[in-house]
Amino acid sequence: EVQLVESGGGLVQPGRSLRLSCVASGFTFDDYAMHWVRQAPGKGLEWVSGISWNSANMGYAGSVKGRFTISRDNAKSSLYLQMNSLRGEDTALYYCAKEGGRSFNYYGMDVWGHGTTVTVSS
Amino acid sequence: SHELTQPPSVSVSPGQTASITCSGDKLGDKYASWYQQKPGQSPVQVIYQDTKRPSGIPKRFSGSSSGNTATLTISGTQAMDEADYYCQSWDSSAVTFGGGTKLTVL
Repeated sequence: EVQLVESGGGLVQPGRSLRLSCVASGFTFDDYAMHWVRQAPGKGLEWVSGISWNSANMGYAGSVKGRFTISRDNAKSSLYLQMNSLRGEDTALYYCAKEGGRSFNYYGMDVWGHGTTVTVSS
Repeated sequence: SHELTQPPSVSVSPGQTASITCSGDKLGDKYASWYQQKPGQSPVQVIYQDTKRPSGIPKRFSGSSSGNTATLTISGTQAMDEADYYCQSWDSSAVTFGGGTKLTVL
């Protein structure tokens, strides 16, 4: 069964850091690009970041550029999101999603995890 | 940034056809995907590359694209299709989602 399991969310104070993880199973992880997508409470989907299969290409939403860093470890079938300088507006459910191909801008996201919640508050 | 515009809501009677549009000034040059999200659940891809249906998605879901508008069509809409629907595309190594459309099956 193809599965993505996110972890690492929690309550964090503004300005602090958090690292999210996503472990993949049921498919050849290093054959696919991956994404982080977030959803604030009661709001729509917002793409956060994407990374190609070999980490050669990465992209970020303007709202997180310079603060968040995406990375992956193909040997561990794992995707990460390092989030620094967190703000209240970063509060959301963060989903890990699998792209349908090696590049993160061609097939869309065909598998999604259940998400991990990040709350930024003092 | 690349913006995608969807109607906030669409209503349809059971058995009828629902159409949800997604417009963007660069959409004609790129592929679009569509996602269905029911309350409390993760999104599910229902259309990719404008017109293709992933395995397991019912045939009543179809997609089309013309000019700078992509359209998701649900034929013979069922009560279980009531959900939020999002279009998605990309530009300049950035992915964009539309604001979402709440489909109500009356």
